[in-house]
Amino acid sequence: ELKVEQNPLFLSMQEGKNYTIYCNYSTTSDRLYWYRQDPGKSLESLFVLLSNGAVKQEGRLMASLDTKARLSTLHITAAVHDLSATYFCAVDLKGTSYGKLTFGQGTILTVHP
Amino acid sequence: KAGVTQTPRYLIKTRGQQVTLSCSPISGHRSVSWYQQTPGQGLQFLFEYFSETQRNKGNFPGRFSGRQFSNSRSEMNVSTLELGDSALYLCASSLDYQGYNEQFFGPGTRLTVL
Repeated sequence: ELKVEQNPLFLSMQEGKNYTIYCNYSTTSDRLYWYRQDPGKSLESLFVLLSNGAVKQEGRLMASLDTKARLSTLHITAAVHDLSATYFCAVDLKGTSYGKLTFGQGTILTVHP
Repeated sequence: KAGVTQTPRYLIKTRGQQVTLSCSPISGHRSVSWYQQTPGQGLQFLFEYFSETQRNKGNFPGRFSGRQFSNSRSEMNVSTLELGDSALYLCASSLDYQGYNEQFFGPGTRLTVL
């Protein structure tokens, strides 16, 4: 059974600081997704990583994928308050998932002034 | 392009009742997945439909069922509601292009069971 684990689960940051969220998964896969969820809202797609070594950046967020280590990272650069949200990684298995994403527990990020 | 829509947005039901939730996917998307989100269990996959066929199902009891119509719109039904069914129910659609599974989520239906 595919398991996806994120750490940390809670992250309190000061504005301007850098930090990384880690996402480990248990079964070989080269398809990983990052989502953001604001309180009371739905999930917003941030990044889609589809191969080993994939790196994508959008603003202050950068995501990467190491399929050999079964690890994805979401790096936050110079955090700002607007980045406060819950971040989820999700994995699916090519050819067998049929619409099923397996999500991590989520990382609740709070950025303080 | 319109996003995924879900109705109703909020529902309050009592134990033993049944409920039907509706989801309209992004135009052109034929895959619709349903998830349950709770503080304790996180995001859990319920089932997925593609071209009116259920292709995948999560580990939920038979009280949870769904269907998809020819226009790709989907409904899920929960019968004999229990307190533990209180959750945010999210629907997501995708193109399922070559198995590529980026899913776009609707706003969710928040179900409260009293």
